[in-house]
Amino acid sequence: DTAVSQTPKYLVTQMGNDKSIKCEQNLGHDTMYWYKQDSKKFLKIMFSYNNKELIINETVPNRFSPKSPDKAHLNLHINSLELGDSAVYFCASSEREGLDEQFFGPGTRLTVL
Amino acid sequence: AQSVSQHNHHVILSEAASLELGCNYSYGGTVNLFWYVQYPGQHLQLLLKYFSGDPLVKGIKGFEAEFIKSKFSFNLRKPSVQWSDTAEYFCAVNKFGTASKLTFGTGTRLQVTL
Repeated sequence: DTAVSQTPKYLVTQMGNDKSIKCEQNLGHDTMYWYKQDSKKFLKIMFSYNNKELIINETVPNRFSPKSPDKAHLNLHINSLELGDSAVYFCASSEREGLDEQFFGPGTRLTVL
Repeated sequence: AQSVSQHNHHVILSEAASLELGCNYSYGGTVNLFWYVQYPGQHLQLLLKYFSGDPLVKGIKGFEAEFIKSKFSFNLRKPSVQWSDTAEYFCAVNKFGTASKLTFGTGTRLQVTL
């Protein structure tokens, strides 16, 4: 049973395109997150949602728009992709906001050409 | 701003050697502390966590960590590493009582040789 799943696993696209990454968790958690891991393996939070409401937006360019249709899903849409957007994007979830262990998805490797 | 420092960027050990990876954080309030591991090509998995209580925390696969509040440190240890411990190790800190925001260290790449 996959706890946190992401699709696609790999995404290769041209500069200027718009793309989406989907994330789903079957753990019944209230809170979901998006992290970006750069080429030096540095992980940084981008967004978090609690029960479909945005609670953290870490100065991410507004080309990135998260969407949470329900608390089990948090999708990431990226407009006008740039070379610097190339990274691995991880989705995560936790039972509640604030204290809990976060469970991570397998990651989506985005390459912008 | 809260920051997390991992001073060892790349560690190479022989099998059976002992391991200690350093982690220091800058926030002065109450924190929750985590160590995550990322095996090659895989997602992050939790090794152990500290919320409160005994500052010596035991995790999976024989790992442990000690929270030393006076030193703002949460170092990871293992008495005898195995080749399968080769991975990237991340320390992470979450400020207590605020919106969830795991701040990660820059990671330590551990390479265990046979």
